[in-house]
Amino acid sequence: DSGVTQTPKHLITATGQRVTLRCSPRSGDLSVYWYQQSLDQGLQFLIQYYNGEERAKGNILERFSAQQFPDLHSELNLSSLELGDSALYFCASSVDGTEEKLFFGSGTQLSVL
Amino acid sequence: GENVEQHPSTLSVQEGDSAVIKCTYSDSASNYFPWYKQELGKRPQLIIDIRSNVGEKKDQRIAVTLNKTAKHFSLHITETQPEDSAVYFCAAFSNTGNQFYFGTGTSLTVIP
Repeated sequence: DSGVTQTPKHLITATGQRVTLRCSPRSGDLSVYWYQQSLDQGLQFLIQYYNGEERAKGNILERFSAQQFPDLHSELNLSSLELGDSALYFCASSVDGTEEKLFFGSGTQLSVL
Repeated sequence: GENVEQHPSTLSVQEGDSAVIKCTYSDSASNYFPWYKQELGKRPQLIIDIRSNVGEKKDQRIAVTLNKTAKHFSLHITETQPEDSAVYFCAAFSNTGNQFYFGTGTSLTVIP
């Protein structure tokens, strides 16, 4: 167990819908990262937050948004879902968002039908 | 920005043999290089890491080497076992982009 908690574990929805993925970082970690992993693909960086503020942005679609709350948990919102958005979405956390160990949650498997 | 390349994409070895996975990076400002193991449907797990001020690090059957001049780092697994079968990702943390850059992964199969 990495200490990073993601909910829900599985999510099945239809095209055009909106979903919210939730992540609680490890105790003491201030930085949260979101990654997308499609079938048999690598880890695509979406966005990073540090202590509530956006720090870095990757290949995140405009239909996607995220935020980190004062209690440090983070939510990734995916809207106007398309079939191609089906993927495993991982949250990861680190102490301060620098060159420190990065720990991953168990992921949310999103299936868009 | 940083670009991390990983080779090979697939690797099959006999149980007991060694496995080597290689990564190269482009940004000289990268200073932290972790390796992750991901089993099917599971989360990536940190197995070993190395910082730019160190040339080699070992943890039981796993070792990582770093050549800063050539900008490449490698994962070495000795005495491989079937449970080592997984996808392995290398990564580099770049202070330029202030984020982790991941390689494309190596699918390792250890044949009993």
